[in-house]
Amino acid sequence: KQEVTQIPAALSVPEGENLVLNCSFTDSAIYNLQWFRQDPGKGLTSLLLIQSSQREQTSGRLNASLDKSSGRSTLYIAASQPGDSATYLCAVRISGSARQLTFGSGTQLTVLP
Amino acid sequence: DTGVSQNPRHKITKRGQNVTFRCDPISEHNRLYWYRQTLGQGPEFLTYFQNEAQLEKSRLLSDRFSAERPKGSFSTLEIQRTEQGDSAMYLCASSFGADYGYTFGSGTRLTVV
Repeated sequence: KQEVTQIPAALSVPEGENLVLNCSFTDSAIYNLQWFRQDPGKGLTSLLLIQSSQREQTSGRLNASLDKSSGRSTLYIAASQPGDSATYLCAVRISGSARQLTFGSGTQLTVLP
Repeated sequence: DTGVSQNPRHKITKRGQNVTFRCDPISEHNRLYWYRQTLGQGPEFLTYFQNEAQLEKSRLLSDRFSAERPKGSFSTLEIQRTEQGDSAMYLCASSFGADYGYTFGSGTRLTVV
């Protein structure tokens, strides 16, 4: 059974700092991995999707990397802003199943002004 | 298209009552998913539709839960005889295919009192 772990559970940084969020998964046979952002009481907003054949994806100040062999992904946020404060979730789609995503519990990020 | 739409946004119900939630996916997306999220956890998969066919159901989906997607368009999730443990955020997502990421709605927050 695929398990997804995100460390740390919570992170607080001053504005302007670059930061890295970590995601690890137990089964390397994944189809793709997706990072989401969730504001309190809201739904999920997709940030980046990395296919299993890719090593990284970039969007603006965000960069996500994927190392399937080690079962790890990182989300790098450059020059953090208070508006980046949210919970960040990673989710993996297992190969052979085009259906469900398995989520981590998320990292709650607070960027202090 | 404005994305995935879920209604209602909030629902408070008394224990034992039945509730029904609606999800309108992005119109081109043939795949639709329901997830449940409790406080501090990542979303957990409930069920999956491809067009109008319900292809997969999680063990989390007890016999009090039923989901439909008539004509492969909108979907409904009904919970019968609600229990306090059903209190959660119910999220709907849709996708175009396995190579594409999920788009989530804003969710329906259910509180059973």
